[in-house]
This record gives sequence, C-alpha cells and structure tokens, in this order.
Amino acid sequence: GDSVTQMEGPVTLSEEAFLTINCTYTATGYPSLFWYVQYPGEGLQLLLKATKADDKGSNKGFEATYRKETTSFHLEKGSVQVSDSAVYFCALNKVYNQGGKLIFGQGTELSVKP
Amino acid sequence: GAVVSQHPSWVICKSGTSVKIECRSLDFQATTMFWYRQFPKQSLMLMATSNEGSKATYEQGVEKDKFLINHASLTLSTLTVTSAHPEDSSFYICSAGGGFLNTEAFFGQGTRLTVV
Repeated sequence: GDSVTQMEGPVTLSEEAFLTINCTYTATGYPSLFWYVQYPGEGLQLLLKATKADDKGSNKGFEATYRKETTSFHLEKGSVQVSDSAVYFCALNKVYNQGGKLIFGQGTELSVKP
Repeated sequence: GAVVSQHPSWVICKSGTSVKIECRSLDFQATTMFWYRQFPKQSLMLMATSNEGSKATYEQGVEKDKFLINHASLTLSTLTVTSAHPEDSSFYICSAGGGFLNTEAFFGQGTRLTVV
C-alpha cells in the first residue's frame, strides 16, 4: 500500500545550522506531497506542498522539491532558529478532491538549541 | 484561509463514560471530514472518513461501535468515543478538505483525551 517514510528523530541542531529531513514515499499514480509542522500541544499547520514532479514548495525559509525519480520530498532550511523546534510530518494525498485525506510519515522531532 | 475548529481542546473522563468531540468548518462547507488519532510521539493514523448525510467509512482495525461518527450537516462532524477506557487516551485530530477543487486539507487544533 501507499506509505511515507521519514528519517527518525529527534534531530538536534544549533541555531543557524542547515536542516535536512529526509522523506521518501511509496505510491501509485501521482500523489500530492506535503510537509506539516506540529508545535507542542497543537494541531497541524501546512508548511509547504508540491502537486507534481519537479515542483518546489517553499515557505518561511523551508523548501522541498518533489522528485519522482527518487520518490522523495526532502525538507531543507538553510539556517534554523529556535522557534523552528517542532515535529515535522511528511504526507501524501492521492485523492485529488479529498484534500483532507492524508497518509503521514512517522514525524521527525526537531530541537534547535541557541 | 479556511478554518476548522475542534472542541474541546482537552477532556478528562472516567472509564466507562462516553465523550463527544466536535469538528466544525467555520467558513466553508465540508461534505467530507476525516478523523485521525495520534499516539504520543507517533504519526497520525486515519481512523475514518466522515460523510455528510451518510455513514462514515472506517479504516481497517477501527471499531465503528467504539468510535461513533456523525456528520449531520455540511459544517459539523462529531466523534463519540463510547465506553471509554484508558487505552483510548490519545490525541484526536479532524481535517476537512477545502480550497480550490477541495484539494487542500485544513486541520482542527486537536483534542487531547485522557481516560482515567
């Protein structure tokens, strides 16, 4: 079946370090790909998305490129801040007109130290 | 952007009682909503698809008699955890599709359920 795999956490970085969180997926067809962020005790917020191959999603300094050849959607940020500490989820959606139906990776906890 | 409101944010209940969680789309209509469950430090698992005016569709392994879903209007879906037990303690999150051609997901803020 369809699935999403993320690198395990927690990831601990110093402020201004470079961030990469790996995400690979298994799915038939042409899914849309997403990164969501969850702050402690809160729900999920959409960070960025890409709907077709080679698309690059970007937001708040975060970027991810939809690579169909490697079935990947790795999240990157050039310089992290303490406020970026959160859990990051990679997800895919295959049902085009049911945007709320997602398959999530296991989440990667990021901790940024000053 | 579209807003999905979930209530309550947290609830503590005694074993054997039932708890109802509401999920509302505040500024758009949602014919379909989704309920997820998240265990501590784990991912979100889809429990069921809530369909307005019809029965919910449950994912494999989810007890439909334990987790009752009602979607009586285009803006409200409810999840009732019946005869709750400590193992039902979890974080429950709803989502609704919206945006252009219903391709975006909007999440509620989640409900922390603790059964004692």
